[in-house]
Amino acid sequence: AQTVTQSQPEMSVQEAETVTLSCTYDTSESDYYLFWYKQPPSRQMILVIRQEAYKQQNATENRFSVNFQKAAKSFSLKISDSQLGDAAMYFCAYRSHEGTGANSKLTFGKGITLSVRP
Amino acid sequence: DAGVTQSPTHLIKTRGQQVTLRCSPKSGHDTVSWYQQALGQEPQFIFQYYEEEERQRGNFPDRFSGHQFPNYSSELNVNALLLGDSALYLCASSLLAGNTIYFGEGSWLTVV
Repeated sequence: AQTVTQSQPEMSVQEAETVTLSCTYDTSESDYYLFWYKQPPSRQMILVIRQEAYKQQNATENRFSVNFQKAAKSFSLKISDSQLGDAAMYFCAYRSHEGTGANSKLTFGKGITLSVRP
Repeated sequence: DAGVTQSPTHLIKTRGQQVTLRCSPKSGHDTVSWYQQALGQEPQFIFQYYEEEERQRGNFPDRFSGHQFPNYSSELNVNALLLGDSALYLCASSLLAGNTIYFGEGSWLTVV
């Protein structure tokens, strides 16, 4: 079974600064997806960024980028130019891409609460 | 393009009662999954529906059941409610082998 670990329960960043959220995972599969989701107080789960394991290039979405280290099974999220609206719970998630898709459930880490100081 | 929609948004039930939650997937998506998120915890996978069949199930008792309709919408039913069933229930939609999963805003269930 796959596991996702987010060891930092909370982090804080100054507005306009950069912050990195850590995530490690464990799997025996070679083909999978990794995600970062943002969950603000409204509890809406919002997709931030996605990484396909077969791609060596790190995914980037505007101010959000990842550092994907497949051998180390590490998937960190970097938020640049932090904004007050970035304050939320962030979840790292794993999804298998092997077989017919029947194992396509998301496995989440425990999440990290990010606060942004004005 | 409508995203994933869920209803009701909030509801309160009494122990022992039954509840039905509803979900309409994002346009073009054929797969619906349900997750339970207790307060302060990560979402936990309940089950997934594709082609009107349950394809995968998490570690939840048989009190939790579901259905998918020909239009891909889905229902989650929970029987004999327990206090511990109080949680946010999230519906997620995707293509079966797609690489992106979108979530609805969730249904808050409080069991008293």
